Amino acid sequence: AQSVTQPDIHITVSEGASLELRCNYSYGATPYLFWYVQSPGQGLQLLLKYFSGDTLVQGIKGFEAEFKRSQSSFNLRKPSVHWSDAAEYFCAVGVLLGNQFYFGTGTSLTVIP
Amino acid sequence: DAGVIQSPRHEVTEMGQEVTLRCKPISGHDYLFWYRQTMMRGLELLIYFNNNVPIDDSGMPEDRFSAKMPNASFSTLKIQPSEPRDSAVYFCASRGTSGGEGEQFFGPGTRLTVL
Repeated sequence: AQSVTQPDIHITVSEGASLELRCNYSYGATPYLFWYVQSPGQGLQLLLKYFSGDTLVQGIKGFEAEFKRSQSSFNLRKPSVHWSDAAEYFCAVGVLLGNQFYFGTGTSLTVIP
Repeated sequence: DAGVIQSPRHEVTEMGQEVTLRCKPISGHDYLFWYRQTMMRGLELLIYFNNNVPIDDSGMPEDRFSAKMPNASFSTLKIQPSEPRDSAVYFCASRGTSGGEGEQFFGPGTRLTVL
């Protein structure tokens, strides 16, 4: 069965520090991979996606993610975190031509001054 | 484009009442999805439509839940009768037919509280 694991429920980083959010997936083939961000009281906004090609993908707001097939991972990174990045981050796997999305449980990011 | 529109944004009702959540997808999108988000279970896919036809409703929790899509620009999710455990944020998302890499665009959600 397909699954997505985000092992870190909550992460706290200082503003200006680097960030890495972990995501591991379980799927028999190469999935379509997504990272979404959810601000309090808001819907989900797409940060970036991977479906083929270069395994390092760039997204909005200075985020990037790297697909590592050998590790079944798609970790999200940002070199310097801003206070406005505080939010909930969700990794998702799209299967069946992207019609079935499986979301991880999310990682809550707190940014301290 | 205004994005995916959901109404109401907040709904408070009493146990046993009927609740109807509404969604307007992005114009031109062929797929529409309903999700439920709770602290305990995270984001769960309830049902999705393609060209107004329900394709997979295996995530619908029980018969009290029903969803319709009478046309390409409107969908409803109905709970009858509602129960306190239905309290959650319900999201609608839509997606165009652009292959597997097409992302889903989410609405702002409806926060449902059943007392």
